Amino acid sequence: EAGVAQSPRYKIIEKRQSVAFWCNPISGHATLYWYQQILGQGPKLLIQFQNNGVVDDSQLPKDRFSAERLKGVDSTLKIQPAKLEDSAVYLCASSTSPSYEQYFGPGTRLTVT
Amino acid sequence: AQRVTQPEKLLSVFKGAPVELKCNYSYSGSPELFWYVQYSRQRLQLLLRHISRESIKGFTADLNKGETSFHLKKPFAQEEDSAMYYCALSVWITGGGNKLTFGTGTQLKVEL
Repeated sequence: EAGVAQSPRYKIIEKRQSVAFWCNPISGHATLYWYQQILGQGPKLLIQFQNNGVVDDSQLPKDRFSAERLKGVDSTLKIQPAKLEDSAVYLCASSTSPSYEQYFGPGTRLTVT
Repeated sequence: AQRVTQPEKLLSVFKGAPVELKCNYSYSGSPELFWYVQYSRQRLQLLLRHISRESIKGFTADLNKGETSFHLKKPFAQEEDSAMYYCALSVWITGGGNKLTFGTGTQLKVEL
């Protein structure tokens, strides 16, 4: 089966600019996750969707980050405006249900200058 | 709040030597623990979960609730085991579903 797809793979922007990331989960996976992984740290959950509804977004900086999952399939994560500390790898993952194995995408490496 | 601690950033062992990657957790509820692995230039992937109680690629991990630990072990390290290993704790969240909290990871380097 095809894995989780993410684009772009790399992005360099200046602070205060906006950026958007796209994720296409494995077909049939109802649960979708966005993680932020800062260099030297483990992935941190930003937001979790079940179909197109938000299950948990307690660690999402809502003043600048937003995410949506269109029709319960693809998802986009947006940062507006970006700060230097947003430099990280953004990982998307999906699973058949919340308690099952998560399958990760290749990630998007964001550099904010 | 839940927390996962991996005390070693880097662990270097010789091929054929035993490996133990340490993981400690703090959580007031009933824990579910995982080990995820990321090989060079590959995606993060599940290695094993404690409820399966199985050995994957020669690795095992036992949940010790008394010591709040979930250490990953392998009796004889192989060169292909070199990778980044993350311990993760799954907790139930309000609204339904589980949420993973990851440790900071341990880079395992197996030397010839």
